[in-house]
Amino acid sequence: ETGVTQTPRHLVMGMTNKKSLKCEQHLGHNAMYWYKQSAKKPLELMFVYSLEERVENNSVPSRFSPECPNSSHLFLHLHTLQPEDSALYLCASSQDLVDLSGNTIYFGEGSWLTVV
Amino acid sequence: GQNIDQPTEMTATEGAIVQINCTYQTSGFNGLFWYQQHAGEAPTFLSYNVLDGLEEKGRFSSFLSRSKGYSYLLLKELQMKDSASYLCAALNAGNNRKLIWGLGTSLAVNP
Repeated sequence: ETGVTQTPRHLVMGMTNKKSLKCEQHLGHNAMYWYKQSAKKPLELMFVYSLEERVENNSVPSRFSPECPNSSHLFLHLHTLQPEDSALYLCASSQDLVDLSGNTIYFGEGSWLTVV
Repeated sequence: GQNIDQPTEMTATEGAIVQINCTYQTSGFNGLFWYQQHAGEAPTFLSYNVLDGLEEKGRFSSFLSRSKGYSYLLLKELQMKDSASYLCAALNAGNNRKLIWGLGTSLAVNP
């Protein structure tokens, strides 16, 4: 139990579907992240939020849309995905932005996404 | 450029000691993280080094040499449950501050 909870753990969706991944952190952290983890690739940072404001968007396709309604919750809305988007999507949080102070990142268990 | 290198796979025996190396190249440097990730689970934090030297936490120790761009994770008294992927990540500093992740080292501990 890391204090970061993700749902669903597994998701299979068609290329025309719309679905959302949900993340909740119970640590009182100010920063939240979405990462993509694919086989044989390093972790890819997708989105960063600090105090509910998006601070970084690493050229992620618009078919991925993040939402941060408050400092404890983070969503990743998915629509018209491609099979190559199949991966493990990890949510994470840290007390403050890791790039400013070396704050430790705490990861959720991840959502395994399969696009068919 | 920015790069992290670590071995892809390692094998060790239960009860032994194993050292997982990580070399990094970053434009500026603000510390290095080690994470452990069991198959199908979240990466979990092991250590953060920002100063040169060895930091020990029970069976796990992490070493950093800033001048050499080098770190290692030392696991002692290996247990079967230590079979996992070990991720090295360097914190870049400067205009593009972010974590640079390695591909991870998959460690198999055999009886």
